[in-house]
Amino acid sequence: AQSVSQHNHHVILSEAASLELGCNYSYGGTVNLFWYVQYPGQHLQLLLKYFSGDPLVKGIKGFEAEFIKSKFSFNLRKPSVQWSDTAEYFCAVKTSYDKVIFGPGTSLSVIP
Amino acid sequence: EADIYQTPRYLVIGTGKKITLECSQTMGHDKMYWYQQDPGMELHLIHYSYGVNSTEKGDLSSESTVSRIRTEHFPLTLESARPSHTSQYLCASSEVSGGAYNEQFFGPGTRLTVL
Repeated sequence: AQSVSQHNHHVILSEAASLELGCNYSYGGTVNLFWYVQYPGQHLQLLLKYFSGDPLVKGIKGFEAEFIKSKFSFNLRKPSVQWSDTAEYFCAVKTSYDKVIFGPGTSLSVIP
Repeated sequence: EADIYQTPRYLVIGTGKKITLECSQTMGHDKMYWYQQDPGMELHLIHYSYGVNSTEKGDLSSESTVSRIRTEHFPLTLESARPSHTSQYLCASSEVSGGAYNEQFFGPGTRLTVL
């Protein structure tokens, strides 16, 4: 069955630390990949997306993600986190069957 | 301003009651979705719609039903609420793909508690 896994359930970092959140999916066909973020008390919103082309995509607020097809991965990175990055992060995969599958989410807490 | 609205934001109700969760969008999108999300867990698709008079069941079996009589409105109904229905319900919309894989835009969610 198609699935999306996220490596960490909860990550705690100090401000200015580097961030990498892992995401792997199980689907052999063409995919589109997304990272969504949910700040406390706010809607889920799109952070970045990959459709095709350059596997390194840049999103809002200094985030980027790299699609590695051979590893079925789409890891999210940020070189220096801020307290305002505290949020829940969801990786999502859209398959060629027009179906979006979400990962379980990673809760990021940034300590000032 | 284009947005997605969900009401109520919070609902506490007794077992056996009929409830309707409202979702409206002013994004001009054809496709709409309902997800169920338990705390700390992934989103599970329970219903979606490609447009007016189109409704489909999602991956997670749900006792709820939906209707799509107007493009902008996609309400979800539970005929008889039970404690197992306690969860957060998220509504989302997107443009119809047509070959382009567009992202989904989410509402604020309704947190339902059934006593």
